[in-house]
Amino acid sequence: SAVISQKPSRDICQRGTSLTIQCQVDSQVTMMFWYRQQPGQSLTLIATANQGSEATYESGFVIDKFPISRPNLTFSTLTVSNMSPEDSSIYLCSVGTGGAGTQYFGPGTRLLVL
Amino acid sequence: GQQLNQSPQSMFIQEGEDVSMNCTSSSIFNTWLWYKQDPGEGPVLLIALYKAGELTSNGRLTAQFGITRKDSFLNISASIPSDVGIYFCAGHRETSGSRLTFGEGTQLTVNP
Repeated sequence: SAVISQKPSRDICQRGTSLTIQCQVDSQVTMMFWYRQQPGQSLTLIATANQGSEATYESGFVIDKFPISRPNLTFSTLTVSNMSPEDSSIYLCSVGTGGAGTQYFGPGTRLLVL
Repeated sequence: GQQLNQSPQSMFIQEGEDVSMNCTSSSIFNTWLWYKQDPGEGPVLLIALYKAGELTSNGRLTAQFGITRKDSFLNISASIPSDVGIYFCAGHRETSGSRLTFGEGTQLTVNP
């Protein structure tokens, strides 16, 4: 399995500001994903981060709110823009490697918006 | 997106007891995954299942891929306090690209 790190691990932000979350993998991977986990809830896929092209967003998530970069096969960023308290969640990156559909998750970024 | 039906939602057990949880769906999956999430951490992959009927163990954990491809269970034997956490099932369909469908989680509490 890949070793995945995320920065920051947690942050407290003010309403209306933006936060960029970084995800670094210790090996090259084709598939990288960003998830949101709201308090007490399961995981919801935000988008697939595609290397060299625009991310593929799931229904309910838009690029203006969650811009994603994927400059190479080991790194991706997710920005949470113009934040509101409803954006308070854990944001997780994952990578697809190994068997079909298998994903490994990073440690998460805990975001609190005041 | 569509959620898997995961049960039970929560469990309170005594140390040493066995635990069983399961996930069901109205449609088939090609891969079943079981994750554990500790407080303040990301989900950790416990077991991956790729074939209908497959039974796989990882220490005290055993999981099975249902023969109908619509369900999976996870058993934990002789539970210990560090088994506390949230357990998620996830399914993958080849027709859904790389997307995973997640269950809503089982919160496990183990009393010493």
